Amino acid sequence: AQSVTQLDSHVSVSEGTPVLLRCNYSSSYSPSLFWYVQHPNKGLQLLLKYTSAATLVKGINGFEAEFKKSETSFHLTKPSAHMSDAAEYFCVVSKAAGNKLTFGGGTRVLVKP
Amino acid sequence: DAGVIQSPRHEVTEMGQEVTLRCKPISGHNSLFWYRQTMMRGLELLIYFNNNVPIDDSGMPEDRFSAKMPNASFSTLKIQPSEPRDSAVYFCASSSPRTRGTDTQYFGPGTRLTVL
Repeated sequence: AQSVTQLDSHVSVSEGTPVLLRCNYSSSYSPSLFWYVQHPNKGLQLLLKYTSAATLVKGINGFEAEFKKSETSFHLTKPSAHMSDAAEYFCVVSKAAGNKLTFGGGTRVLVKP
Repeated sequence: DAGVIQSPRHEVTEMGQEVTLRCKPISGHNSLFWYRQTMMRGLELLIYFNNNVPIDDSGMPEDRFSAKMPNASFSTLKIQPSEPRDSAVYFCASSSPRTRGTDTQYFGPGTRLTVL
C-alpha cells in the first residue's frame, strides 16, 4: 500500500521569499513521485516528477524537489515566490511501473504582496 | 496538442436526472483515468482504462456510476440517477506507455457537476 502526507494544509508567504511545501510518503515499492499544481477552477498541471534518477528534480516555473529516501520525503521548494504561484499543490505517489496515483490532501499556497 | 478535452465544463442538474460526462484523451495515449475531487475527500480515482479496457473500477462509488471507453479517443462517465452528494469536480486524465517507470498523467480542465 502507498500513502502521501502533506504536512501543511495552508502555507502563506510574501512575494519574493522562499516557498517550502512538505511531503512525506509511504510505499512498499520503489516509488515514483510527482508534484502537481492546481490553479483556481483549473485542472492539474504537472510541476515535476521523480523516477529513481537524480534525487534533485527540477520542474517548471522555478520549482524543484529533493527525494530523500532515508526520510521518505519529497519536499517542494522555490527560492522566490511570485504572485502567480498562488494555487493548490498536490504531492502524488505511484509505485514504479504502475498506473495508480495516490494523492496527498493538498497544500494551498497564499502569496502576499 | 489540444490536451485532454472534457465536456461539459459545468453541469447543473436536478436530483434523479441522468448525467453524462465526456472525455477525449490526448492522441496516442493508451491509458485513461476518471477522478473525482471534493472538499471532503480530495482527489479520488474512480476508474481507469488501458487500451480501452477497464482495469480497475474499485473507486466507483456505487452502481449508479458507470464508465465506458468505446474507442481510443472517447470515454464517458455516467451517473444515473444523480444525487446531491455527487456534486464535485470530475477530472479525466490520460497517459502514454513507457518502457520503464510510471507514466505521467495529463489532466483535463474538469467538469464541475452540481446536483440540486
